[in-house]
Amino acid sequence: DQQVKQNSPSLSVQEGRISILNCDYTNSMFDYFLWYKKYPAEGPTFLISISSIKDKNEDGRFTVFLNKSAKHLSLHIVPSQPGDSAVYFCAASLHGGDKLVFGAGTILRVKS
Amino acid sequence: NAGVTQTPKFQVLKTGQSMTLQCAQDMNHNSMYWYRQDPGMGLRLIYYSASEGTTDKGEVPNGYNVSRLNKREFSLRLESAAPSQTSVYFCASSPMEGTKTQYFGPGTRLLVL
Repeated sequence: DQQVKQNSPSLSVQEGRISILNCDYTNSMFDYFLWYKKYPAEGPTFLISISSIKDKNEDGRFTVFLNKSAKHLSLHIVPSQPGDSAVYFCAASLHGGDKLVFGAGTILRVKS
Repeated sequence: NAGVTQTPKFQVLKTGQSMTLQCAQDMNHNSMYWYRQDPGMGLRLIYYSASEGTTDKGEVPNGYNVSRLNKREFSLRLESAAPSQTSVYFCASSPMEGTKTQYFGPGTRLLVL
């Protein structure tokens, strides 16, 4: 049973527009969430994270929103650039733990 | 500063063969992890090591063994490879227990025939 779900396998967005990637989780004990970006033939790289005590965290063009009551988080990229084309993984961590549980990933394509 | 390195980059094995995937990090991190990535399934944790001298099973440990050789190196061994172990394997590290952010190597692509 997948505890972290990314229900959209792919997303296509025009350059300059907003990209919104979604992630749902089932375990209410998760208290820390991360987004990773992965290019082909490379390892995932850390993008942005959020603790469950916050509902928003921003870093440049990237903002993560957390809705604990809905067990939902989203990554907003504004404005989207062609270099943002990659696979985006959502990950979650249990309180007091180091292990990460990953979603299946969403392929983002930004068209120029 | 190379970060996390993995060898080999690509390997083809026949069913029943054994091999060891190597991972090293030069960031003085305490915790290290092995994942496998399969299409449509994200990354799944195979084994992890919270510190030198300790290892623990993750979500999918069957068919694998690990060795935390020292603080820098964490190897993953397949004793008798099976086609179901065809996957991309990633090693990761994090600074210390309780630190959530993990840093990944470039991956090893393994094909078992």
